[in-house]
Amino acid sequence: GAGVSQSPSNKVTEKGKDVELRCDPISGHTALYWYRQSLGQGLEFLIYFQGNSAPDKSGLPSDRFSAERTGGSVSTLTIQRTQQEDSAVYLCASSLGQGSTDTQYFGPGTRLTVL
Amino acid sequence: QKEVEQDPGPLSVPEGAIVSLNCTYSNSAFQYFMWYRQYSRKGPELLMYTYSSGNKEDGRFTAQVDKSSKYISLFIRDSQPSDSATYLCAFGPDNYGQNFVFGPGTRLSVLP
Repeated sequence: GAGVSQSPSNKVTEKGKDVELRCDPISGHTALYWYRQSLGQGLEFLIYFQGNSAPDKSGLPSDRFSAERTGGSVSTLTIQRTQQEDSAVYLCASSLGQGSTDTQYFGPGTRLTVL
Repeated sequence: QKEVEQDPGPLSVPEGAIVSLNCTYSNSAFQYFMWYRQYSRKGPELLMYTYSSGNKEDGRFTAQVDKSSKYISLFIRDSQPSDSATYLCAFGPDNYGQNFVFGPGTRLSVLP
């Protein structure tokens, strides 16, 4: 079946602009995760959704970052007033949401470049 | 001390070599130990996982966990050029009980 998809695959924006990144999880997966991956930094956890609610927003680096999920499916990560340090690959993952050790399936990521 | 540390590499080996990839961790509450493989411009994919200390083998791959030393390893036997990727160790659940903690990854190149 279809895996996790993300769009756009690449995004170049100017400092100060807002960007929206989209994630389509695997059908039936109730848990959805956003991560940020910078060169040499590994995966930095941003936010986790179970259904439409986000019990864990601890990883959002600032109030410029927000995320929502509607219909228990598609999620959007919004970065307002982008800064150059926001440049990274933003990865989305989904899992069945039945337990804390469920396998997370990752999308290909959105490569964000802030000029 | 970082919660997870991993040799960043890069690591280059000839085809057929045995590769050893290692991570240390500090959170003794971790119960679930994983290795993810990430090809260039792709998302990570789960390669192996285990719950307990000891070895778990899957084909050419062996995952080893030593909880007493808070140390995990991934061994690749008879390495192939197709094994060239970044390997990330991961641990779970985190202190919130919901998420995984990832290492920074080791970039491996297997040269033909």
